[in-house]
Amino acid sequence: SQTIHQWPATLVQPVGSPLSLECTVEGTSNPNLYWYRQAAGRGLQLLFYSVGIGQISSEVPQNLSASRPQDRQFILSSKKLLLSDSGFYLCAWSVTGDSPLHFGNGTRLTVT
Amino acid sequence: EDQVTQSPEALRLQEGESSSLNCSYTVSGLRGLFWYRQDPGKGPEFLFTLYSAGEEKEKERLKATLTKKESFLHITAPKPEDSATYLCAAGDDKIIFGKGTRLHILP
Repeated sequence: SQTIHQWPATLVQPVGSPLSLECTVEGTSNPNLYWYRQAAGRGLQLLFYSVGIGQISSEVPQNLSASRPQDRQFILSSKKLLLSDSGFYLCAWSVTGDSPLHFGNGTRLTVT
Repeated sequence: EDQVTQSPEALRLQEGESSSLNCSYTVSGLRGLFWYRQDPGKGPEFLFTLYSAGEEKEKERLKATLTKKESFLHITAPKPEDSATYLCAAGDDKIIFGKGTRLHILP
């Protein structure tokens, strides 16, 4: 069966520090991969999605970037965090664009 | 611009009081309309996928329907454990979410 791993579960970082969040999927090949952010009490904002290695689509032109170094690995990065980067970050995968997303447990990021 | 809009933002119902949640969408490519349930501090949990207008799907007290511009999530005789945020999403490879409806069922 397929599983998705996302870590860490919680993170507290100072403003201006770098960020690296990692997500891996097991049990499937060539999945679509997604990063979403959810601010307190808000819906999910699509940050990046990828339909294959080296194919990253960015939806948010901010200080975040994403990479997909391996088929089932998706990394969210920042060189310098802002206060506004605080939120709940969720990684998800799907088989294709018309199949449901399966989410990880999320990372609660607090930028202080 | 791709957009998914949900209403109401919040809904309080008595146990057993049926109601409907609305999701309207404008997306450049629609291959699926999805409903999720999200509990506090957790990732969304998949409920339904709808692919074409007129389609309906049911699961326990929930029924989802789809038209060309909207989807409805009908909740029949809800129980307190149905309290959660319900999210609607649409798109193809690019999946856009609405802001959700916070549902609270009072015992």
